[in-house]
Amino acid sequence: DSGVTQTPKHLITATGQRVTLRCSPRSGDLSVYWYQQSLDQGLQFLIQYYNGEERAKGNILERFSAQQFPDLHSELNLSSLELGDSALYFCASSRKAAGTDGYTFGSGTRLTVV
Amino acid sequence: AQSVTQLGSHVSVSEGALVLLRCNYSSSVPPYLFWYVQYPNQGLQLLLKYTSAATLVKGINGFEAEFKKSETSFHLTKPSAHMSDAAEYFCAVGNQGGKLIFGQGTELSVKP
Repeated sequence: DSGVTQTPKHLITATGQRVTLRCSPRSGDLSVYWYQQSLDQGLQFLIQYYNGEERAKGNILERFSAQQFPDLHSELNLSSLELGDSALYFCASSRKAAGTDGYTFGSGTRLTVV
Repeated sequence: AQSVTQLGSHVSVSEGALVLLRCNYSSSVPPYLFWYVQYPNQGLQLLLKYTSAATLVKGINGFEAEFKKSETSFHLTKPSAHMSDAAEYFCAVGNQGGKLIFGQGTELSVKP
């Protein structure tokens, strides 16, 4: 157990729907990162939050949004889902905002859009 | 901007043979470098990291990596492969500014 908890582990939904993925960071970590992993795109950085504030944005679609709550857990919202959104979504956390210590990853949420 | 290139998307070795996974990076600032391993249906696990303290970094499971600034490389090695080493390996680069940038990954197969 890495200490980073992601729920749900699996999600199957239809095109056009909206889903929410949840992440609880490791105790003491203030930064949360979201990554999308697919066969053709590899690991793509989506967004980073640090202590409740958006810190960095990557290749995140406008249909996707995220937030980090006061208790530091984070949610990634995916709307108007398309077949191409099927992927593994990872959450990671770190103590600092900088990418100097590495991250601790959760086990991911596998999203299948049908 | 920073980037990472992993040479070879698939590497196959025999059990007991040397493992060498190649990673080259590009960075305009002193980099922080990482190797992660991903077993099937699991998240990424940190193998080792370079943070400028020593150029030869030892990690878990017998892996090590050497930072070579002149070659902008951070190759991962293990003297003797085990079947349990079969997994996908990712090299990543980071800096003081924020997020890690990951390479495309190298899938390691170990033949008996």
